This record gives sequence, structure tokens and C-alpha cells, in this order.
Amino acid sequence: RKEVEQDPGPFNVPEGATVAFNCTYSNSASQSFFWYRQDCRKEPKLLMSVYSSGNEDGRFTAQLNRASQYISLLIRDSKLSDSATYLCVVNLSGSSASKIIFGSGTRLSIRP
Amino acid sequence: NAGVTQTPKFQVLKTGQSMTLQCAQDMNHEYMSWYRQDPGMGLRLIHYSVGAGITDQGEVPNGYNVSRSTTEDFPLRLLSAAPSQTSVYFCASSYLRDRAHSGANVLTFGAGSRLTVL
Repeated sequence: RKEVEQDPGPFNVPEGATVAFNCTYSNSASQSFFWYRQDCRKEPKLLMSVYSSGNEDGRFTAQLNRASQYISLLIRDSKLSDSATYLCVVNLSGSSASKIIFGSGTRLSIRP
Repeated sequence: NAGVTQTPKFQVLKTGQSMTLQCAQDMNHEYMSWYRQDPGMGLRLIHYSVGAGITDQGEVPNGYNVSRSTTEDFPLRLLSAAPSQTSVYFCASSYLRDRAHSGANVLTFGAGSRLTVL
């Protein structure tokens, strides 16, 4: 079993739709969680960190459920520019940087 | 600031050849890591380092060596390239622990190195 698992997608949704991605992780000691975005043939870039209480950044909302070892990302009012691959990222070894593992990514396409 | 610089951007090797992918960062990050990305596989961690002189294995370390003699540099060596090592390689760095306005574990990536092994 992979240590970080994501919805495989692809998701193909119309502009303006709300879309949600899910991710589960296997190591209960994990302390740090993130969503990264990767555009085609580019390097990944941080979208947002995920905090225990949940957090929001504009149209993006991230949630963490430690009991179920589950992370989610919600995108509201999706834009064409949101088309990308979204990567769930977990630091398996506590709060300082150590073994940082990526999920396999969920591809999102927004259609006009 | 240059951030994370990877070289070369593209490389073609024959099976059995050796090569080194270079990675340098100028942000004084303690943590550095190498990932490979294959279609449909996401990024898989090869090796990582939490400081000069310290390295550790990631998810897929076989066939790769690393060293960390300075804070700035973290080269990845392929001793005897195999077609299975055809991939896009990313180097990334971060602070080791949380700092105001930056955050631990927030990775800065290089632009990637595309390697083909024939």
C-alpha cells in the first residue's frame, strides 16, 4: 500500500463548478500536510499548507481529519486556469522536514 | 536569488554509463531531496538530506547515490544507468524546521532534469 494515496482522476468539470479531491496517508505520526499544484511539464509549486483546524485561501479550502488520516482540497467557482495536476504531500516523520512523500496526483481539467 | 538550480536540463545516456545530476540552492536550506517523476506515478522520493554530511534513503533509492558535502549542493549519481531510470528528476529544498513566514517542509523545486537511458 502506498503511504500517500489520492483520487486518481482525471476530473473534467465545467467552469464555475465546485470540485473536491481526497487523499489518505498511512503514517499516523505525520505532522505536516500540503497541497501542491503542477502544471504540464513544470515543477510542482506549493498551493497551500493544511492545518489541523482546516484553512481557506480564496476559492481553495483544505481540511485535515487526523482520526481518519484523510486530507481534502475543495475548489469553488473553478476557473480555466485551475487546470493542472494537484498533488497531496505528507511529511511522514513529524514536524521537521524529513521523508516528504507525494501522492500520485489528481489531474483536473476545467472546460469552458 | 537563483533558488534551486538543476543541471543538466536534458541528458541522453546509454545503458551502463554513469552520470551526475547537479543540484544547488542558495537559500541556506538545510533540507534537500531528489525525486523522480514517471507518467501516472507522481513524484517518488529517491534520497534526502537534513544537513551537510547526512543523507538517507527515500522510497526508490536503488541505483542512485548521493552525498552532501556542503549545505548548498546535493548531487545525484547514477553509477550504471538502466532504461528503467528514464524519468524526469526534480531536486527540492526547504528549511528543516518552521520559521516565521516560511514554514518547514515547504519545498522549493528546481526546474527538472529529463533523462533518457537507451
